[in-house]
Amino acid sequence: EAQVTQNPRYLITVTGKKLTVTCSQNMNHEYMSWYRQDPGLGLRQIYYSMNVEVTDKGDVPEGYKVSRKEKRNFPLILESPSPNQTSLYFCASSLMVSDTQYFGPGTRLTVL
Amino acid sequence: AQSVTQLGSHVSVSEGALVLLRCNYSSSVPPYLFWYVQYPNQGLQLLLKYTTGATLVKGINGFEAEFKKSETSFHLTKPSAHMSDAAEYFCAVRDSGGGADGLTFGKGTHLIIQP
Repeated sequence: EAQVTQNPRYLITVTGKKLTVTCSQNMNHEYMSWYRQDPGLGLRQIYYSMNVEVTDKGDVPEGYKVSRKEKRNFPLILESPSPNQTSLYFCASSLMVSDTQYFGPGTRLTVL
Repeated sequence: AQSVTQLGSHVSVSEGALVLLRCNYSSSVPPYLFWYVQYPNQGLQLLLKYTTGATLVKGINGFEAEFKKSETSFHLTKPSAHMSDAAEYFCAVRDSGGGADGLTFGKGTHLIIQP
């Protein structure tokens, strides 16, 4: 089944404790992206990747890192999480940047 | 820069009534336009999209939207609401100009269906 998977789905952590949210797609998509969803703000892009080893900042990149060592994986790294990063995070992928994006199920992160 | 405005953070309609969710955008180049739906505790699912060609676009679950360039709008409609349509709906835009940026989303409209 074609899908985008994220892990974990739920995470509660404390300020400053490094964490990684994984994202994997099995559709051989070149373009991958991370969004955060906050009430009343919709979804905002954090980082995106056009292909392996090619990443760039979106609209709200502060406090986040990403890597794209393999085509299928696009992990989101929070080196020192803060409470303002409490949010619902979505990974998405598409064959090319201009194609329809397919979204993962989301990761709900709480930073205490 | 692109932006998307969705009128009404909450819209309530009776079951069987017309659904109309409004979306206006701004874009410096011809846009690609999307409507996504998010059911509770789930990810986003594409309802429909406009890229080029026919301005009236039909999507899944009986929804459709019309691209009106002169009004910079892409409103979502469904003739008869069903209880299962209750969800959060997001309008999104991206430039057709070949940039690498992702989608710019509106803030979402929560659709409530009254029995």
